[in-house]
Formats: sequence, structure tokens, C-alpha cells
Amino acid sequence: AQKITQTQPGMFVQEKEAVTLDCTYDTSDPSYGLFWYKQPSSGEMIFLIYQGSYDQQNATEGRYSLNFQKARKSANLVISASQLGDSAMYFCAMREGVTGGGNKLTFGTGTQLKVEL
Amino acid sequence: ETGVTQTPRHLVMGMTNKKSLKCEQHLGHNAMYWYKQSAKKPLELMFVYSLEERVENNSVPSRFSPECPNSSHLFLHLHTLQPEDSALYLCASSLSFPGGTSMREKLFFGSGTQLSVL
Repeated sequence: AQKITQTQPGMFVQEKEAVTLDCTYDTSDPSYGLFWYKQPSSGEMIFLIYQGSYDQQNATEGRYSLNFQKARKSANLVISASQLGDSAMYFCAMREGVTGGGNKLTFGTGTQLKVEL
Repeated sequence: ETGVTQTPRHLVMGMTNKKSLKCEQHLGHNAMYWYKQSAKKPLELMFVYSLEERVENNSVPSRFSPECPNSSHLFLHLHTLQPEDSALYLCASSLSFPGGTSMREKLFFGSGTQLSVL
């Protein structure tokens, strides 16, 4: 079974609109961390936001926020006020604390986001 | 500039060639990683080094040989590759080798080497 599932291979959003990128995860580990990375066409993966399984509040970093629904095992990324520079591939990833030894980052297949004028 | 530099950016090689990928990090990090990114597949962790010691080797074929001479440099030596090895190879680093309470340890990636095996 896949640990991280991103069901949207591609998404389009109008500039200045908000967009939600979906991510569901599968783990029985009580301690885990969830990450979102952005990969523009240049290739490098850029860290966006982190959510810990014990964090009481949803993470926010500027225009990025994470809609963390623990019971549903989902960690959707919300980008507000989209900009043309947000066009990129977005990856959700998880690190498991106990079963995964806390050291392996498992990635999903990614969502290609295109921001249009 | 992320602080992690990979060379070359593009590499085309035949199946009988020997080549090396280089990664250098200027962040003072102690852990370095090699990932393979193939189209429509999740990133695959290949190797992890912590303080120049290999701590993880995820069943990678022996035609890939990593080397970490110091905490700032990481190499991936390639020989007798197969066409299915064509992919983007990403290097990453982190301040420490994550585990236990350091769950939020994030990775810093380079721009990758796009490898084509003919």
C-alpha cells in the first residue's frame, strides 16, 4: 500500500485564487511528520511547510497553510492568492517516527500545478 | 541558490561508460542523501550518509556506488547502467540525521542531474 497518495496529477488555478492540493497518508505510527515540497522546472525541491502529528494547530507559512485532518489522515496544502511563480510540481512527504526509524522521508507522486492569468 | 550544488546538470552516457555525479553542500550539514526521481513515480531514497558514514542503502543495484569523502561532498559513481536508470538524480542534505525527536528535520535539495542512459 502506498504511504502517501496524491490523487491529482494536474491542477489549474486562476491567478489570485486559492487552490487546495490533496494528500492522504497511511501510517499506524503515532509519531510522524508531514512535509510539502515544491519542485519548479529548475529541478530543486523547495521545502514549504511542516506539520507534526502532535501539533495542535494547523501549520501556516505565509501563503501556504496545511489543512491537517488527523482522523481522515489527510494533509492538504492550501495556497492562497496564487501567483504565476507558484506553477510547479508539489510533493507531499511523510516521516514516520517509530516504524520508519524517524529517518526516511517517503514521497507521493506529486501534483503539477499551473497558475493561469 | 539553495546551498546544495549538483554537477553536471545533464548527463548522457552509454551503457558501458563510467561516470560520476557530484554533490556539494555549503550549509554545514552532517547528513547527505541520494534520491532517484523517475517520471510518474515517487522519489526513491537510494543512499544516506551521516557524518560520512553510510547509514542506509535501499537495495540499490551495485552499478550505483556512493562515496562520501567528507561531510560537504557526496558522489555517485555510475558504471554499466541500464536504460531504466535514466532519471533525475537529486542530492539532499540535512543538519543532522533525523530520528526520534527530530521529526521536523527538513531536507535541502540540489537541482539534480538529469541522466539519460542510451
